Amino acid sequence: GIQVEQSPPDLILQEGANSTLRCNFSDSVNNLQWFHQNPWGQLINLFYIPSGTKQNGRLSATTVATERYSLLYISSSQTTDSGVYFCAGHYGQNFVFGPGTRLSVLP
Amino acid sequence: DSGVTQTPKHLITATGQRVTLRCSPRSGDLSVYWYQQSLDQGLQFLIQYYNGEERAKGNILERFSAQQFPDLHSELNLSSLELGDSALYFCASSVVATGNTIYFGEGSWLTVV
Repeated sequence: GIQVEQSPPDLILQEGANSTLRCNFSDSVNNLQWFHQNPWGQLINLFYIPSGTKQNGRLSATTVATERYSLLYISSSQTTDSGVYFCAGHYGQNFVFGPGTRLSVLP
Repeated sequence: DSGVTQTPKHLITATGQRVTLRCSPRSGDLSVYWYQQSLDQGLQFLIQYYNGEERAKGNILERFSAQQFPDLHSELNLSSLELGDSALYFCASSVVATGNTIYFGEGSWLTVV
């Protein structure tokens, strides 16, 4: 089956810092998405980004489908950005998730 | 608010019991997915339905079953519960079977004691 890697697995930042999270797939996926799971467990859609670059406020994402990776950029991080960030995509009929990057933003 | 509604939000039950989790997809969405997330674990895909038919099956135990009804809501039935079944169960929906954005509900927290 497909392997999904996310790096780094854990990240601790000081408020205001920038970060880049990476998602690698071992095979081609479709309909790549990024999610943020907040400390209360809610899964929030960040981006639907099968290819190209999108920006939403302090967050932006880039997917290079031909090279099977996607990046999530967080600028000027805030404590509310803490949580786990997942990438996911369709592989065949399954929508598979990466293991996540756990982000802690300290005040 | 994603538009996907899950009930109950929290549930505590004893080992050996059976529970039913309910999901109402976003208006217009035909596809429903179920995921399990155990403590500090990733999301494990259980099963997907599209317009009432089972479309894909993941790591769903034989003690678990699901269905999607004609009004497109879905139920996940968990039986002969074990302590290890304690988890956050998510439902998600999308317009089509593959493709397009998938939206998640807030989850149902199941604790088996």
